Amino acid sequence: EAEVAQSPRYKITEKSQAVAFWCDPISGHATLYWYRQILGQGPELLVQFQDESVVDDSQLPKDRFSAERLKGVDSTLKIQPAELGDSAMYLCASSSSRDSFRLFFGSGTQLSVL
Amino acid sequence: AQKITQTQPGMFVQEKEAVTLDCTYDTSDPSYGLFWYKQPSSGEMIFLIYQGSYDQQNATEGRYSLNFQKARKSANLVISASQLGDSAMYFCAMREPRGGSTLGRLYFGRGTQLTVWP
Repeated sequence: EAEVAQSPRYKITEKSQAVAFWCDPISGHATLYWYRQILGQGPELLVQFQDESVVDDSQLPKDRFSAERLKGVDSTLKIQPAELGDSAMYLCASSSSRDSFRLFFGSGTQLSVL
Repeated sequence: AQKITQTQPGMFVQEKEAVTLDCTYDTSDPSYGLFWYKQPSSGEMIFLIYQGSYDQQNATEGRYSLNFQKARKSANLVISASQLGDSAMYFCAMREPRGGSTLGRLYFGRGTQLTVWP
C-alpha cells in the first residue's frame, strides 16, 4: 500500500539553528498538509497545499517557519531559527481529490531543540 | 472554544472486552465530518473510521463503530473485542466544509491513551 514518506525520522538541533523536514505524499494526492503535534496534544495544522499553492497557512509562524511545494509533489518545511518551544512531532499528510475527507499520514519527524 | 473534546486522558480495558472512547464536538455548521485516528508509539496517525453529519446510520469498520448522537454532538468510538495491539493513543477529529471559514481544516482532540491488558 502506498505511503506518505517523511524524513528524517528524528532530528536533534540546537536553538537558533536551521532545520528542514521533507515529505513525499502518496502519488497523485493533490492536497498536502503539515501538522505539528506537541507532546500530550492532538496535531494542529501548520500549512495546507493544493498542488503547489498554499490554501491555508493561518497557523504557521511565518517569522521563522516556511513551507514550499514547488512542483506540486514533495514538500519541505523549514524552521529558522529553531526555538526550544519548537520541539514536537511534525506530521505530513496527503489526500486525494476523489476521497478528500480521508487524510493519510506519514510517520512524522520528531524534533528536539536543545 | 474547543472544537473537539476528549475527556478521558487514559482508559484501561481487558483483552476481548469492549471499550468506548468519548468524544464531543462543537460546530454551528450543519455539514461536517467526524473521524477517529489511532496513533501507536511509532507516531503515525492511522485512519480508523469516518461519519458524515448527514449519514443516517452509525459508521462501522470491522471491530470499530462510531456511536453518533447528533443532538448531543457526540461521536464516541466503540472498539469491540479489544486486542493487545489496540493499545495506542486515539484521536477524535472533525472537519468542516472547505468552503467555510475554516477551509476544511481538520481539528483534533487531545486524545485518549488506551491500554489493553491481558
